Amino acid sequence: AQKVTQAQTEISVVEKEDVTLDCVYETRDTTYYLFWYKQPPSGELVFLIRRNSFDEQNEISGRYSWNFQKSTSSFNFTITASQVVDSAVYFCALSEREGGYQKVTFGIGTKLQVIP
Amino acid sequence: DAGITQSPRYKITETGRQVTLMCHQTWSHSYMFWYRQDLGHGLRLIYYSAAADITDKGEVPDGYVVSRSKTENFPLTLESATRSQTSVYFCASRVLAGGGNSYNEQFFGPGTRLTVL
Repeated sequence: AQKVTQAQTEISVVEKEDVTLDCVYETRDTTYYLFWYKQPPSGELVFLIRRNSFDEQNEISGRYSWNFQKSTSSFNFTITASQVVDSAVYFCALSEREGGYQKVTFGIGTKLQVIP
Repeated sequence: DAGITQSPRYKITETGRQVTLMCHQTWSHSYMFWYRQDLGHGLRLIYYSAAADITDKGEVPDGYVVSRSKTENFPLTLESATRSQTSVYFCASRVLAGGGNSYNEQFFGPGTRLTVL
């Protein structure tokens, strides 16, 4: 069984603070994929990053960075110098093969509020 | 414009009525998906389709029917709507995954907010 846990349901930070969103996953497969999506107040789901289980390199994209650690089954997301536009719900997702299908399981999301 | 669209964006209906939510994508993606989003549950897969005329159940398929006669369209029908089906519905698509370790992310439509009274 696969599972994605986002233990932080809501986080509030003051603008310019750094914030880390946690994601812990469970899987027995050796080949799997992890994703982060952003859902701003307007409601659409925006893809942020994909990482496969064989690539543990951390990634940085502007103010966003991701820390993938297989040893702790975590794929955490850090926003540096947060801005009001970062206010959104962020979803972590895990994908692994189940039968002939690449099944994706989403966490329940972390709501981030950045206060000006 | 290219992309994935959903219609209607908002729908209010009554218990027992049939409702169809439309999803259209212009990328010719092989895979298409229907999710529902509910507070405390994240996104849950209702049905998916690997190609035209190939569909399969996801995590919460009861009360829903899908079809896929054309690659670009993937309608979702609630045959007899119930209040528990009040939710935000998202359609998504992705390309057929390549070989080796590649897997492409899903792209989502804007969502349909459905209220069943």
